[in-house]
Amino acid sequence: GDSVTQMEGPVTLSEEAFLTINCTYTATGYPSLFWYVQYPGEGLQLLLKATKADDKGSNKGFEATYRKETTSFHLEKGSVQVSDSAVYFCALRASGGYNKLIFGAGTRLAVHP
Amino acid sequence: GAVVSQHPSWVICKSGTSVKIECRSLDFQATTMFWYRQFPKQSLMLMATSNEGSKATYEQGVEKDKFLINHASLTLSTLTVTSAHPEDSSFYICSAHDKTETQYFGPGTRLLVL
Repeated sequence: GDSVTQMEGPVTLSEEAFLTINCTYTATGYPSLFWYVQYPGEGLQLLLKATKADDKGSNKGFEATYRKETTSFHLEKGSVQVSDSAVYFCALRASGGYNKLIFGAGTRLAVHP
Repeated sequence: GAVVSQHPSWVICKSGTSVKIECRSLDFQATTMFWYRQFPKQSLMLMATSNEGSKATYEQGVEKDKFLINHASLTLSTLTVTSAHPEDSSFYICSAHDKTETQYFGPGTRLLVL
């Protein structure tokens, strides 16, 4: 079945460091791909998405490119801030009219001043 | 963006009792809502898809009689954990999708069964 694999955390960075969180997926057809962020004590928020190959999603300085050849959707940010500390979830929505999301395990990011 | 609320935010109950959790879309109508369960430091597992005016669709391994779902209106879905036991303790999260099929998540409900 469809699945999402994320790099294990926690990821600990200093402020202004470069961030990469790896995400790969297994799916039939052409899924849509998402990154969600969960700040402490809050629900998940959509960070960015891409719906077809080679699309780049971006928001708040974060970017991710839908790479079908490597089945990847890695999250990147050039300069992280303390306020970016959160848990990041990669997810896919299978093609075929179903709106179910399949999540990766989540990666906790801690940014220190 | 669209807002989804959940109530209560946390609940403690005795083993054997039932607990109802509400999920509301505050500023949009949602024909479909989803219920997830999240264990500590783990990902979200989809439990069921809640469809307004019809029966919920449960994922494999989820007990229908244990987790009752009612989607009575376009803005409200409820999850009732019946005869709760300590192993049902978890973080329950709902989501709803709008016309663009973007899913918006509620803040979650933490359930502790003693």
